[in-house]
Amino acid sequence: DTAVSQTPKYLVTQMGNDKSIKCEQNLGHDTMYWYKQDSKKFLKIMFSYNNKELIINETVPNRFSPKSPDKAHLNLHINSLELGDSAVYFCASSQDWGASTDTQYFGPGTRLTVL
Amino acid sequence: DAKTTQPNSMESNEEEPVHLPCNHSTISGTDYIHWYRQLPSQGPEYVIHGLTSNVNNRMASLAIAEDRKSSTLILHRATLRDAAVYYCILRLITGTASKLTFGTGTRLQVTL
Repeated sequence: DTAVSQTPKYLVTQMGNDKSIKCEQNLGHDTMYWYKQDSKKFLKIMFSYNNKELIINETVPNRFSPKSPDKAHLNLHINSLELGDSAVYFCASSQDWGASTDTQYFGPGTRLTVL
Repeated sequence: DAKTTQPNSMESNEEEPVHLPCNHSTISGTDYIHWYRQLPSQGPEYVIHGLTSNVNNRMASLAIAEDRKSSTLILHRATLRDAAVYYCILRLITGTASKLTFGTGTRLQVTL
């Protein structure tokens, strides 16, 4: 059973397009996250939602807009794609948001390539 | 979050123990020490965490120095499947959103 799933796995698109990446977790967790891993393999948080409310926004350009229709889903919409948006995007979830002992479970990643 | 320092890479032979060090000299008394690893082409996965005492689980052991300024992740018998980037991360105890701040990690190579 897949705990955190993302679609699509690969996404190739042209500059200026708008695209979405979907994430779903079946763990019953309250908190979900989006992380970005760039070409140098640095992994950095972008957003976090708890019970469908935004709790972390790490100064990400407003072209990126997360949407959480329910606790099990956190989708990432990206408008006007730029070359620098090319990266691997990971979704994650955890039971809570404020506990330093909480474990985060990551999805398999979506490799976005902007041409 | 306080900063951690790890070697860029380490090598190990299969079936041998591996000790992955992490320095965190600016750790505060309320920071937990977490380890995650990222296998090739996969998302990060949780390995272990601890506060002061040494910890063991089915994946690894975590040895924490008495002054908490360093810790060591121990894989008791490395296998080829343990080849990954291992991240040592400090997390505040409460009151802040539960983000993970990843550093550059240690790339572990396991050879036959």
